[in-house]
Amino acid sequence: GAVVSQHPSWVICKSGTSVKIECRSLDFQATTMFWYRQFPKQSLMLMATSNEGSKATYEQGVEKDKFLINHASLTLSTLTVTSAHPEDSSFYICSATDPTGANYGYTFGSGTRLTVV
Amino acid sequence: GENVEQHPSTLSVQEGDSAVIKCTYSDSASNYFPWYKQELGKRPQLIIDIRSNVGEKKDQRIAVTLNKTAKHFSLHITETQPEDSAVYFCAASAGGTSYGKLTFGQGTILTVHP
Repeated sequence: GAVVSQHPSWVICKSGTSVKIECRSLDFQATTMFWYRQFPKQSLMLMATSNEGSKATYEQGVEKDKFLINHASLTLSTLTVTSAHPEDSSFYICSATDPTGANYGYTFGSGTRLTVV
Repeated sequence: GENVEQHPSTLSVQEGDSAVIKCTYSDSASNYFPWYKQELGKRPQLIIDIRSNVGEKKDQRIAVTLNKTAKHFSLHITETQPEDSAVYFCAASAGGTSYGKLTFGQGTILTVHP
């Protein structure tokens, strides 16, 4: 079945630095990927839609200059948290649409636990 | 945009009892309703889903019902076991330009006591 790989699984960084998270579709081409954020004991909230070869679409309230998304190929989307601060500490998880229709297109990465100190 | 409400936020049952979690959605264009189980620090795991052309779907101890008119859908777990303890999320998604985009409910912490 469709597999989405996400790296790193966890990262600790200092306040003010940037962190890059990768989301790869391993056995299918994903023209669209989605990035979600989940704060402790809360639900998953969509941050942005990543479109291969074009600009990402951000949800209301998400700073596009802080959360940079690049989807340069059909198998890779990256999320860069720039100038990270403690309030950015969260669980970030990507998903990709599988054009074959498996799982109706929703395959999640394993998530990245970001801790900003 | 879509809004999904989920209740209850916490649910405690005895092993062997049934558990029911309910969700409502706002966007009549939504046509896909998955349910996820999430354990701490892990990705959501799809446990069952239903599409808008079906009213009910069952998979062993788990079932989902959908009422399109009322815009609500429910998860039913029978003969609960301690390993069913986790956080459960409902979600809704529409097709077209929203294909692949999920709106999640707030989650339900299910605790099954032995």
